[in-house]
Amino acid sequence: GDSVTQMEGPVTLSEEAFLTINCTYTATGYPSLFWYVQYPGEGLQLLLKATKADDKGSNKGFEATYRKETTSFHLEKGSVQVSDSAVYFCALSTPNQAGTALIFGKGTTLSVSS
Amino acid sequence: DAGVIQSPRHEVTEMGQEVTLRCKPISGHDYLFWYRQTMMRGLELLIYFNNNVPIDDSGMPEDRFSAKMPNASFSTLKIQPSEPRDSAVYFCASSEARSWNTEAFFGQGTRLTVV
Repeated sequence: GDSVTQMEGPVTLSEEAFLTINCTYTATGYPSLFWYVQYPGEGLQLLLKATKADDKGSNKGFEATYRKETTSFHLEKGSVQVSDSAVYFCALSTPNQAGTALIFGKGTTLSVSS
Repeated sequence: DAGVIQSPRHEVTEMGQEVTLRCKPISGHDYLFWYRQTMMRGLELLIYFNNNVPIDDSGMPEDRFSAKMPNASFSTLKIQPSEPRDSAVYFCASSEARSWNTEAFFGQGTRLTVV
């Protein structure tokens, strides 16, 4: 079945460091890809998305490019802040006969210190 | 819109008791999803509805779990009887889902502890 694999965390960085969180996927169809973020004590919220190959999603300084040839959607940020500390989830959805549902990776915890 | 609303935010119950989690989706959204989050298994899809009809419940762990959506503005997830291994954060999400690139909006979750 469809699945998402993320790098294991936690990731610990100093403020202004470069961030990469790896995400690869397996899908039978042509998926849309998402990154969600979960701040402490809150639900998940959409960070960015890409719906076709070579699309780049971006938001709040974060970027991810849909790479069909490597089935990847790695999340990057050039300079992280303490406020970026959260859990990041890579996800995909594909159409099926009855509807759609997001399939998530296990999440990667990011901790940024000043 | 106030977003997806879940209640209660926290629930502590004794093993064997019935637990009911509640969700109010965003008005106008046709899809509603229930997820469970644990450290070991991450975020798992339990069940989802389209226009109040259950579409896929293959993620429901066992018969102790049941979910209903009696109308477009309310859904429940029930565990009867509850067990300590059910302890987790349960999320409800909703989406318009006109296509598979539509985002889902999540509630703040219910943290369930079964002792």
